[in-house]
Amino acid sequence: EAQVTQNPRYLITVTGKKLTVTCSQNMNHEYMSWYRQDPGLGLRQIYYSMNVEVTDKGDVPEGYKVSRKEKRNFPLILESPSPNQTSLYFCASGIYEQYFGPGTRLTVT
Amino acid sequence: EDKVVQSPLSLVVHEGDTVTLNCSYEVTNFRSLLWYKQEKKAPTFLFMLTSSGIEKKSGRLSSILDKKELFSILNITATQTGDSAIYLCAVTGTASKLTFGTGTRLQVTL
Repeated sequence: EAQVTQNPRYLITVTGKKLTVTCSQNMNHEYMSWYRQDPGLGLRQIYYSMNVEVTDKGDVPEGYKVSRKEKRNFPLILESPSPNQTSLYFCASGIYEQYFGPGTRLTVT
Repeated sequence: EDKVVQSPLSLVVHEGDTVTLNCSYEVTNFRSLLWYKQEKKAPTFLFMLTSSGIEKKSGRLSSILDKKELFSILNITATQTGDSAIYLCAVTGTASKLTFGTGTRLQVTL
């Protein structure tokens, strides 16, 4: 079954404590991306990757890092989370017909 | 900066009504326009449009793109309560960056 998995699904953390949200896809897609979704602001792209070792900034990259060492995985790293990064995060795979992961609800206190 | 504007922001209709959702855009090096449906979870893909004037259809849903006027519409006929969702429009432009609109929240009542 074609799918995108994300972990964790829910996370409550404190300001400044580094965290990683994992994302994995099984469709052999070259293109993967991360979004955050906030009320009234819609989905905003954080980073995207056209292929292994190729990543680019989206609209809201500040405070985030990504890596793409293998095609199937695209982790999102928050080195020093802050409360304004409290949001719902989606990983997606595929460039046109994007398949979205189930979402990670992150709360930073 | 790429921009996508959707209207209306919110819509309440009765079951059986027909609705039209609007999406206008400004994008550098347009490649495609996409429609997604989001219920209480992740968005799911509906349509991809790349050429003007060619209608895409899936059941009661249809969509068309006007590249000259820079907009797209999504039509839903004979609405059902299961159509209640947020409908998202997105465009791909330079370097395959995606830009989403804020969505139209549709509620279908009995």
